[in-house]
Amino acid sequence: GAGVSQSPSNKVTEKGKDVELRCDPISGHTALYWYRQSLGQGLEFLIYFQGNSAPDKSGLPSDRFSAERTGGSVSTLTIQRTQQEDSAVYLCASSFEVNAYNEQFFGPGTRLTVL
Amino acid sequence: AQSVTQLDSQVPVFEEAPVELRCNYSSSVSVYLFWYVQYPNQGLQLLLKYLSGSTLVKGINGFEAEFNKSQTSFHLRKPSVHISDTAEYFCAVSDTFAGNQFYFGTGTSLTVIP
Repeated sequence: GAGVSQSPSNKVTEKGKDVELRCDPISGHTALYWYRQSLGQGLEFLIYFQGNSAPDKSGLPSDRFSAERTGGSVSTLTIQRTQQEDSAVYLCASSFEVNAYNEQFFGPGTRLTVL
Repeated sequence: AQSVTQLDSQVPVFEEAPVELRCNYSSSVSVYLFWYVQYPNQGLQLLLKYLSGSTLVKGINGFEAEFNKSQTSFHLRKPSVHISDTAEYFCAVSDTFAGNQFYFGTGTSLTVIP
């Protein structure tokens, strides 16, 4: 079956612009995770969804970052007024449900470059 | 919060030689442990995981890892590497009681030299 897909694969934007990153999880997966991978850094956890709700938003780096998920499926991560330090690869993962032992299936990522 | 340390950012190794990629984690609470691999231009995929039971875990592509609770380590090993093992390897930890967050290391870039 289809894996996790993300779009766009690459995004170049100017500082101060808003961007939307999209994640389409594996069908039937109720858990969805967003991570940020910066050069030389590990994966930084941003937010997770159980269904459409995001119980913990504390991982979001600032209030310029927001995420939503509708219909228990597609999720969008929005970054407002982008800054150069937002440049990174944004990864989405899904799993059957939110728990500590389930395998996460990752998408290929969106590479964001803020000029 | 947890932290995961992968001491080696880059590991070059000759083809058919053995390799060990090191991973240490901070928490003393009960954890689950994972190794993921990221091949060039691909997403991360699970290599293996430790949930409970035997401390030696076998994964795909001939990799194995050993959980050492006293040393809070989960090192990844392969007795004989292949060119196709060239990739980025990430160690990850989750608390067994708080399953909503996974903590990843900074990754180890394994380069297999012909």
